[in-house]
Amino acid sequence: EVQVLESGGGLVQPGGSLRLSCVASGFTFSGYAMSWVRQAPGKGLEWVSAISGSGGSTYYVDSVKGRFTISRDTFKNTLYLQMNSLRAEDTATYYCAKGIRGGHSYYYGMDVWGQGTTVTVSS
Amino acid sequence: QTVVTQEPSLTVSPGGTVTLTCASSTGAVTSGYYPNWFQQKPGQAPRALIYSTSNKHSWTPARFSGSLLGGKAALTLSGVQPEDEADYYCLLYYGGALVFGGGTKLTVL
Repeated sequence: EVQVLESGGGLVQPGGSLRLSCVASGFTFSGYAMSWVRQAPGKGLEWVSAISGSGGSTYYVDSVKGRFTISRDTFKNTLYLQMNSLRAEDTATYYCAKGIRGGHSYYYGMDVWGQGTTVTVSS
Repeated sequence: QTVVTQEPSLTVSPGGTVTLTCASSTGAVTSGYYPNWFQQKPGQAPRALIYSTSNKHSWTPARFSGSLLGGKAALTLSGVQPEDEADYYCLLYYGGALVFGGGTKLTVL
């Protein structure tokens, strides 16, 4: 069964850092692009970042450029999101989602989603 | 700033048909925007329904279909079931970034 499972969320002060992880199973991890999507409490979905299957190409929404870094470890079948200089507006549930196709084709969308991990930025 | 617009809410009767739309502030939505549709029920993660305009995932019920309609991406539910009550989000590609619509709250009543 294809699955992704997020972890690493928690409470952090403004200006702090947090690293989210997403462990993938049931598919050839390096064969697919991956994305992070977030949802603020009571709000809609917001795409945050994507990474190609090889990890060589990364993409970000403007609001997190320079603060967040997406990466992947093929040997550990794990996707990461390093979040620095966190702001109150980054408070959200963060979902990891598997891409539909491999390579750089993150734009095809996502098929399998995790249950999410919650990040709260507050003093 | 690119804005993707969906109907905030729609109501449909059980067994009826409803079409949700997804418009882009940049102009007509085409297949090059690779429209995706997702369903989200309260307290749950989103579930993928449609990708690349009209392609269904293996788990997508047959009553869901995607298309382009009048310059917008569209999701049509035919023979609506009570369990289809949920929030629906579209997703469009803008050459480097992905943008979700604001979502449509579908009520089955």
